[in-house]
Amino acid sequence: IHMTQSPSSLSASVGDRVTITCRASQSITTYLNWYQQKPGKAPKLLIYGASSLQIGVPSRFSGSGSGTDFALSISSLQPEDFATYYCQQSYSTPPTFGQGTKLEVK
Amino acid sequence: EVQLVESGGGLVQPGGSLRLSCAASGFIFSGYEMNWVRQAPGKGLEWVAYISNGGSPIYYADFVKGRFTISRDSAKSSLYLQMNSLRAEDTALYYCARTEAGNYDALDVWGQGTMVTVSS
Repeated sequence: IHMTQSPSSLSASVGDRVTITCRASQSITTYLNWYQQKPGKAPKLLIYGASSLQIGVPSRFSGSGSGTDFALSISSLQPEDFATYYCQQSYSTPPTFGQGTKLEVK
Repeated sequence: EVQLVESGGGLVQPGGSLRLSCAASGFIFSGYEMNWVRQAPGKGLEWVAYISNGGSPIYYADFVKGRFTISRDSAKSSLYLQMNSLRAEDTALYYCARTEAGNYDALDVWGQGTMVTVSS
């Protein structure tokens, strides 16, 4: 299953609301997870099952979607949110990741 | 504290072998499915292999089938990746990651990674 994220990069300011989208090449119901990765660090799970917030993740992060179209939203960007974000489908093997969206400071 | 710590990476010549290890702590290792995921320099994430909590089934990405072997030792709370016939394109940071089967099989715990460089 091929995962396509858009945009590949995004410039925004602190306080902005941003949305990253992810499209699957076939239906994955809600087996969609989102990760955040900062430079030199391991990925961190943010959202699982398309919309469930991982323990400890701030509530400004939210996920939505089902089937083939999904979105990750950050309601009010904080300085620590500038990072690269990946979606991943866990519906079937092999699990596959999107190519990533780099969120940069405007 | 739940933790995964990888080791065993390094510089190896094309065609060579390397064995990666991942030491787990802070959770009941035998109860969890585990994975290896890699990231080439400046690139995205790429799943490599999976092993169930009981050791079977095992799955591999097509690009490592027949060359890499994933295994685990629950007595040592450790995950392994035996890498043979290494190629330049296997150069990457290799992460071990835990599957949270109850949460849509998301990868909820990651190690810090171990770097593998394949070069002559």
